[in-house]
Amino acid sequence: DTAVSQTPKYLVTQMGNDKSIKCEQNLGHDTMYWYKQDSKKFLKIMFSYNNKELIINETVPNRFSPKSPDKAHLNLHINSLELGDSAVYFCASSQDLRGAQETQYFGPGTRLLVL
Amino acid sequence: GQSLEQPSEVTAVEGAIVQINCTYQTSGFYGLSWYQQHDGGAPTFLSYNALDGLEETGRFSSFLSRSDSYGYLLLQELQMKDSASYFCAAFYYTGGFKTIFGAGTRLFVKA
Repeated sequence: DTAVSQTPKYLVTQMGNDKSIKCEQNLGHDTMYWYKQDSKKFLKIMFSYNNKELIINETVPNRFSPKSPDKAHLNLHINSLELGDSAVYFCASSQDLRGAQETQYFGPGTRLLVL
Repeated sequence: GQSLEQPSEVTAVEGAIVQINCTYQTSGFYGLSWYQQHDGGAPTFLSYNALDGLEETGRFSSFLSRSDSYGYLLLQELQMKDSASYFCAAFYYTGGFKTIFGAGTRLFVKA
């Protein structure tokens, strides 16, 4: 029944490791996003995909690479993790970027802690 | 650049009414959304305004004035469970549709 799901919910890892976060939505939406929320709760968009195509790629280090195997999935792979990557990562989806109204549905978040 | 401003914190008592303001500077503006986020939870959609005026959804209402680049979220009959962070988000078009979130307003509801 979960609309937008993410795994894992918690991720604790060492600096320098590579990790992936998975996201799936069962809402039939065309557009998916990755956000980073830091300790000050600021929500910053990282990537946006529309129907498996990259639409938005904000200023994010190359160590972050999104992959969308189909429009229901958007995964995030992070290479060479750094302390500053510690944050909560939210996946979200919306129906269609072309609409004049957009409601985003967020996943539960992945709490990443880099030691 | 695109930006939104909202107060960092607001405190109110149970049963009261509180207004959280949001001013925005975005080109290609389409509409303003509001999201609620409880501690440890995910942001959840509350409302969206594309036209000027007030939209009411139960105890929550949202207002937009496009000429003033200003909106607010009004919460009535405050309950303890309303203690959360509230984000305004501007939906705009510059070579593609995008959304930018404000920094969030932390609402504390006291008994």
